[in-house]
Amino acid sequence: NAGVTQTPKFQVLKTGQSMTLQCAQDMNHEYMSWYRQDPGMGLRLIHYSVGAGITDQGEVPNGYNVSRSTTEDFPLRLLSAAPSQTSVYFCASSSDSLYGYTFGSGTRLTVV
Amino acid sequence: GIQVEQSPPDLILQEGANSTLRCNFSDSVNNLQWFHQNPWGQLINLFYIPSGTKQNGRLSATTVATERYSLLYISSSQTTDSGVYFCAVGAQYNFNKFYFGSGTKLNVKP
Repeated sequence: NAGVTQTPKFQVLKTGQSMTLQCAQDMNHEYMSWYRQDPGMGLRLIHYSVGAGITDQGEVPNGYNVSRSTTEDFPLRLLSAAPSQTSVYFCASSSDSLYGYTFGSGTRLTVV
Repeated sequence: GIQVEQSPPDLILQEGANSTLRCNFSDSVNNLQWFHQNPWGQLINLFYIPSGTKQNGRLSATTVATERYSLLYISSSQTTDSGVYFCAVGAQYNFNKFYFGSGTKLNVKP
């Protein structure tokens, strides 16, 4: 099925551990982005990419790394998890950042 | 970055009622979208509307870019309209950076 696939759906990490949140889309979208959503708040942009090999920082990039080696995949890496990174993470893609986004179903991350 | 303010923060409606949600933003934009997050967390894009008016069934949206606000109208509300409605904008100087408001939480009661 076409869409944005995020894995895992749930994850618990210990402080200091590293992990990668996966995001894949099969719509040949050039634009992909990562957001975090904290309770009672809107989404905040972490990193985005306008095409393979091109990434840039969003509003809250500290503690996160990204790369975009293919059009389909846009993984988000936490190098050393901290409790402040406990959040729900959403990946989104669009054919053009000006137009409608398709969101993944989210990854709920808890750092203890 | 751009400041995005949404009002009201919470809204309770009886099924069949109409409502207007507002989004104010602090800078010139060339990208404005409305999203609905359902009670299960799924985000759905409703409108791309940097200016003008659009309608989709019982939903319509109007953006007055020169006055830096957008309105989302929900008519004849249904329980399935419940959830959180977000406005998000991208600045003219860098439309790839997208800023969300904190949302309006809508509860439609049967």
